[in-house]
Amino acid sequence: GQNIDQPTEMTATEGAIVQINCTYQTSGFNGLFWYQQHAGEAPTFLSYNVLDGLEEKGRFSSFLSRSKGYSYLLLKELQMKDSASYLCAARVNTDKLIFGTGTRLQVFP
Amino acid sequence: DTGVSQNPRHKITKRGQNVTFRCDPISEHNRLYWYRQTLGQGPEFLTYFQNEAQLEKSRLLSDRFSAERPKGSFSTLEIQRTEQGDSAMYLCASSPQQVNTGELFFGEGSRLTVL
Repeated sequence: GQNIDQPTEMTATEGAIVQINCTYQTSGFNGLFWYQQHAGEAPTFLSYNVLDGLEEKGRFSSFLSRSKGYSYLLLKELQMKDSASYLCAARVNTDKLIFGTGTRLQVFP
Repeated sequence: DTGVSQNPRHKITKRGQNVTFRCDPISEHNRLYWYRQTLGQGPEFLTYFQNEAQLEKSRLLSDRFSAERPKGSFSTLEIQRTEQGDSAMYLCASSPQQVNTGELFFGEGSRLTVL
């Protein structure tokens, strides 16, 4: 089967760093995506990893370990606008994305 | 630039009625996906098309759900004899095949409320 686990909720302070973890067990794994979704809005693409290692994109970084079935999203210099749900998704074969339940992040001043 | 467009954005219906949602993908994208999302959950895969061919349909999808993409452009998702459990946000996404990361571009969604 396909299984993706991530924490349900996290809180952090403006200006801080937060790491959102994701573990996955999927057959035909072919890449790990992170999406951001503000309440009532569509998910928007943040990052993609297919090889082991760290991908950095501005304040956001994402890491993948295929052997451990593990990824994390690192958010630096948190801003209030970063309050949102963060969705971890595994691409299966070259087809669909399977999403986790999402981690709701609240950033406090 | 026109992104993925979905309509209607909101639909309220009575149990037992049929509803249809439309999705217009980004024009050069040949893959189109339907997902369902309920409050506090991630998007759940329903089905996807490559051009006009429906390549996969979730086993969780009952026979009341049907999707089409007749000309390989827009798609419709129909739910027959709606039930209260069908209340959710229905998200459409598109992607170009085998290009770069293969990320999905989502529309704003169609929110269904079944009374």
